[in-house]
Amino acid sequence: DTGVSQDPRHKITKRGQNVTFRCDPISEHNRLYWYRQTLGQGPEFLTYFQNEAQLEKSRLLSDRFSAERPKGSFSTLEIQRTEQGDSAMYLCASSPLAGGPDEQYFGPGTRLTVT
Amino acid sequence: DAKTTQPNSMESNEEEPVHLPCNHSTISGTDYIHWYRQLPSQGPEYVIHGLTSNVNNRMASLAIAEDRKSSTLILHRATLRDAAVYYCILSGQGAQKLVFGQGTRLTINP
Repeated sequence: DTGVSQDPRHKITKRGQNVTFRCDPISEHNRLYWYRQTLGQGPEFLTYFQNEAQLEKSRLLSDRFSAERPKGSFSTLEIQRTEQGDSAMYLCASSPLAGGPDEQYFGPGTRLTVT
Repeated sequence: DAKTTQPNSMESNEEEPVHLPCNHSTISGTDYIHWYRQLPSQGPEYVIHGLTSNVNNRMASLAIAEDRKSSTLILHRATLRDAAVYYCILSGQGAQKLVFGQGTRLTINP
């Protein structure tokens, strides 16, 4: 098991462009989360999937953001018409479907810079 | 979301114990106390969690006050690799988003 992987690790884009990030969770983990982290702050929750169903979305997830997990395995996060305020680290986490409290395993993140 | 309060920063010496405090006076009866840490340029990493009783694992110990309004993460023998931001988070059972605060930035001196 290689842990949660994210691709790309870094992305520089110009304002107004669309970007897409990919997250591959730990195999057989049913739950997948996206978070965003800006410099000096703790991560902020964006959205959560259980299998292919998107069960919760934060108010931070504006109409320009969309996330999918079509087959209940990998997930993509797309940002349309990027703005400079979108510059951040985008973190993905996964966890197994278990009865107890959720222990989340995080990937290394994708750092987005919007110029 | 229940809130936690942690010191912004702490400093300790290598090979000494470290006690990281967390206040959570509004904790509900079903909230678990989680600790995660984030090393530089990495995603957060799970450390430990507990409900009422003190907990030990290979990374750390978690001491929970009897009234559950505070807890302490204990690193028994700090190493330079323990330098990180430590987050104390309250979360209910089952699938829950994690609500991170500012955390405590721990510096370990050689």
